[in-house]
Amino acid sequence: GEDVEQSLFLSVREGDSSVINCTYTDSSSTYLYWYKQEPGAGLQLLTYIFSNMDMKQDQRLTVLLNKKDKHLSLRIADTQTGDSAIYFCAESDGGATNKLIFGTGTLLAVQP
Amino acid sequence: DAGITQSPRHKVTETGTPVTLRCHQTENHRYMYWYRQDPGHGLRLIHYSYGVKDTDKGEVSDGYSVSRSKTEDFLLTLESATSSQTSVYFCAISPARSTDTQYFGPGTRLTVL
Repeated sequence: GEDVEQSLFLSVREGDSSVINCTYTDSSSTYLYWYKQEPGAGLQLLTYIFSNMDMKQDQRLTVLLNKKDKHLSLRIADTQTGDSAIYFCAESDGGATNKLIFGTGTLLAVQP
Repeated sequence: DAGITQSPRHKVTETGTPVTLRCHQTENHRYMYWYRQDPGHGLRLIHYSYGVKDTDKGEVSDGYSVSRSKTEDFLLTLESATSSQTSVYFCAISPARSTDTQYFGPGTRLTVL
């Protein structure tokens, strides 16, 4: 079945780059997503990448996709304390109902 | 932000009681979803809807039912709440297929004693 895996925790210093990794299993996924969840809040869509792309850049965010290895990463440049949150990757199930399969989430802690 | 509200935002109830959570959207999106979020599990899909009166089961549907009588409202009912259903529940919406993007509500924290 489908499974999306992420490391549980990442700690970085303010100003450094953060790289959050994700592996997925469904090669038919059309889109892959990164969501951010701040404490006590819902999930906020950060960015997404279409499966025929290798890279997407959006301001401080860079998404890299390696389809051969089914590996997705999110790089945050110049990480700030406001970036501290849980980051979820998700893949679409490739079906007609827009269902998403989420990873377990990576807690990013930014040290001042 | 997408116009999604959830009610109640917090609820404490006792084992065996029925509970209904409401998701309301103002975006006229076709698809609506209910997830639960638990530590170590990420978000897991409970039920989803692809139109008025059209619903289907997700990954963890046992003990839950849903109804969608209007485009804007999607109700999640715990028929007889159990302590294992203590969780944070999120509603999400999505337009007809474009980027498959889902937009999330603020969540409901449910505690079953």
